[in-house]
Amino acid sequence: DAGITQSPRHKVTETGTPVTLRCHQTENHRYMYWYRQDPGHGLRLIHYSYGVKDTDKGEVSDGYSVSRSKTEDFLLTLESATSSQTSVYFCAISEAEGKNTEAFFGQGTRLTVV
Amino acid sequence: AQSVTQLGSHVSVSEGALVLLRCNYSSSVPPYLFWYVQYPNQGLQLLLKYTSAATLVKGINGFEAEFKKSETSFHLTKPSAHMSDAAEYFCAVSEGGGSNYKLTFGKGTLLTVNP
Repeated sequence: DAGITQSPRHKVTETGTPVTLRCHQTENHRYMYWYRQDPGHGLRLIHYSYGVKDTDKGEVSDGYSVSRSKTEDFLLTLESATSSQTSVYFCAISEAEGKNTEAFFGQGTRLTVV
Repeated sequence: AQSVTQLGSHVSVSEGALVLLRCNYSSSVPPYLFWYVQYPNQGLQLLLKYTSAATLVKGINGFEAEFKKSETSFHLTKPSAHMSDAAEYFCAVSEGGGSNYKLTFGKGTLLTVNP
């Protein structure tokens, strides 16, 4: 299995509080991604990174920010959590030399905003 | 932008029956296509990928998919379903260029296998 660790694995937080999720990889892959998974929507890309300090928005980036200060860590921050951000969050990594390389996924973080 | 459409959010088959999960893509250029599987409470793992080397792609656990350009399809099949195949399956397409690359996923198909 690819070396991807997400933390925490489960979190319950209150509306309006900031939350940071961490993704740590040991594969030295260039690309890192944050997705959210919701019933009926599949996986939707929040933000991704194609190198240290190089990030870009995905299709559902509102209310989220990311940072990547070193290759192995990609942080996802919910600035002020809302109930609509209750979801399962997945981190993925990819070497992506060419478009045909696959992404490897972490085990997910289940976030509940109450 | 490219996208993928998975027909049928839920497919139910009997053990030993053929599994067919449908995926259509939209793209004006040859795409790179993937099938992923997700077992309950786990992350996604790659089943197979199409990279233009061959139109019939074989993956893990007896699954295969055929790329049909004329139909813009990449359907996933398995001749005989096993109880352990029960999971959610996602079709995905790569998009981007240069140094930007990302995967776009379909909404998933939940496969139920009945004894």
